[in-house]
Amino acid sequence: GQNIDQPTEMTATEGAIVQINCTYQTSGFNGLFWYQQHAGEAPTFLSYNVLDGLEEKGRFSSFLSRSKGYSYLLLKELQMKDSASYLCAVIDSNYQLIWGAGTKLIIKP
Amino acid sequence: ETGVTQTPRHLVMGMTNKKSLKCEQHLGHNAMYWYKQSAKKPLELMFVYNFKEQTENNSVPSRFSPECPNSSHLFLHLHTLQPEDSALYLCASSQDMEGLAGGGRYFGPGTRLTVT
Repeated sequence: GQNIDQPTEMTATEGAIVQINCTYQTSGFNGLFWYQQHAGEAPTFLSYNVLDGLEEKGRFSSFLSRSKGYSYLLLKELQMKDSASYLCAVIDSNYQLIWGAGTKLIIKP
Repeated sequence: ETGVTQTPRHLVMGMTNKKSLKCEQHLGHNAMYWYKQSAKKPLELMFVYNFKEQTENNSVPSRFSPECPNSSHLFLHLHTLQPEDSALYLCASSQDMEGLAGGGRYFGPGTRLTVT
């Protein structure tokens, strides 16, 4: 079956760096998305990786290793507003979007 | 503003009621989706429409009935729901069925449904 694994919850301190991991086993691969979802709000697009390597976008970076079925989202200089759930999703060979259950990130002062 | 709106934002209904959820996208996208989001579970895809034709129904119970009158509007009609149907229902759209271009899927804020 198809599976996306990510930690259920993580806690970090304001100003610090946190890495949220995502591992996947899917039928083929056409890219990996990271979304951010604040409580009671819509998921919003953060990044899309289809090639191996690190993509940096401001304080957020996303890394992909297709051979390892692994990605991470790196958040630097954490701010209180970064408290949210982070969803990892993979597009398989049939262009179906397979979702992880999300990682709830709690930022403490 | 994500370009995808949903109404109502909150809905409480009894098991014998009939209600409808509405979604509208202002992005010119061709594909629209209904998802169910329950706590600590992955998003569950319910229905997919492409150019207002239904292309996928993920074994959703018949008490959920979608309607897509045009590429910009999507409805989810609800009747005789069960308490376990209580969840956040999210509408999304994407430029095309592959959903790779321009940031993938764009989500509405969702309808928080409580079935009593």
